[in-house]
Amino acid sequence: SQQGEEDPQALSIQEGENATMNCSYKTSINNLQWYRQNSGRGLVHLILIRSNEREKHSGRLRVTLDTSKKSSSLLITASRAADTASYFCATDESGAQKLVFGQGTRLTINP
Amino acid sequence: DTEVTQTPKHLVMGMTNKKSLKCEQHMGHRAMYWYKQKAKKPPELMFVYSYEKLSINESVPSRFSPECPNSSLLNLHLHALQPEDSALYLCASSQEVGLLVYGYTFGSGTRLTVV
Repeated sequence: SQQGEEDPQALSIQEGENATMNCSYKTSINNLQWYRQNSGRGLVHLILIRSNEREKHSGRLRVTLDTSKKSSSLLITASRAADTASYFCATDESGAQKLVFGQGTRLTINP
Repeated sequence: DTEVTQTPKHLVMGMTNKKSLKCEQHMGHRAMYWYKQKAKKPPELMFVYSYEKLSINESVPSRFSPECPNSSLLNLHLHALQPEDSALYLCASSQEVGLLVYGYTFGSGTRLTVV
């Protein structure tokens, strides 16, 4: 079962601009994670935010989590062509011991 | 070693064939996972192994048979597959099930085509 809904499904921006992706989920979670996938290959873990955290930074990435709204956002600042990929949020559901992925956002950075 | 290694990278098999996918990690992770991903879709969980024991089977058809011979190795045995089973099969590992600190480490996947 897929818990997360991501918005937008696709995003195309110019290099240097910021990209924002949103994720909504339905159940209680231990944490929420964001992953990147290039060209249908393996996923790369970007950042993990725990349910008791509201914001986290890692380099050009900023993640927020609002557990009252069951939503999260991923902001990529100063985008680069190499950021072109699909981005997935994934929730570690409380008591479920498994990671469930959202539908994903396909991000295209135009040079 | 901070990688999950999957072999083969590509596999084409007939519907009567038997084949196996292999996944290996040497990070000391005690949880390992198989995911299936169709084109332009998110990964879908198939199996979870915790301390070499199967802990979750997401109602996967019996033509897919997982095996965890030791803490570093995870196999997925394939038999009598259907064309709709063609997909990217991803293996992942984590420190432990339910105690995530750093997220999952994924392999590059095996691109399976059933003909």
